[in-house]
Amino acid sequence: KAGVTQTPRYLIKTRGQQVTLSCSPISGHRSVSWYQQTPGQGLQFLFEYFSETQRNKGNFPGRFSGRQFSNSRSEMNVSTLELGDSALYLCASSRDTNEKLFFGSGTQLSVL
Amino acid sequence: QKEVEQNSGPLSVPEGAIASLNCTYSDRGSQSFFWYRQYSGKSPELIMSIYSNGDKEDGRFTAQLNKASQYVSLLIRDSQPSDSATYLCAVRPGSGGSNYKLTFGKGTLLTVNP
Repeated sequence: KAGVTQTPRYLIKTRGQQVTLSCSPISGHRSVSWYQQTPGQGLQFLFEYFSETQRNKGNFPGRFSGRQFSNSRSEMNVSTLELGDSALYLCASSRDTNEKLFFGSGTQLSVL
Repeated sequence: QKEVEQNSGPLSVPEGAIASLNCTYSDRGSQSFFWYRQYSGKSPELIMSIYSNGDKEDGRFTAQLNKASQYVSLLIRDSQPSDSATYLCAVRPGSGGSNYKLTFGKGTLLTVNP
């Protein structure tokens, strides 16, 4: 069974640009969560989607948004990039909201 | 703000020893507890889950949960150099409401010395 797939693996952007990250969950998993990981703050929750609905959102500004498609694939968008947005963005899927999370390899975003 | 606290380490143990990793959490209503292992440059990998008070064993790993003390731990027996990684404790609130997010501690760096 294929794992969680995230693309792209690496991204380099400049301040003010926007970026879209993609996540394909494990087959049969309907919940997709996004996390930001930085050395100083650790793993911080961004949002969770289940059946195309955002169920919960973390404490991030509105520049961070996401969506989920009918096939459970999810995208995350960050607009007007700031230097502080440089981080590893991790997507995780689970069968349902309260099930175990399985992480993808992440997208390493560098904002210059 | 629901918190999950871990000693950042590094925790250094000799090969073959028992490594003990600890985690405390602030939300008394938490119901699900997980330990993830993260190698440098890699994504977190689930190694243990525990939902009830007591011990749960899986191979060389034992998770221990004490809800009254709001404490969860991970023991690694016969530690191997390949166990060297950051161990993340994660806690999920109880059911009800809309707070489904899994909250992570910042992790404990474990180094197993040959």
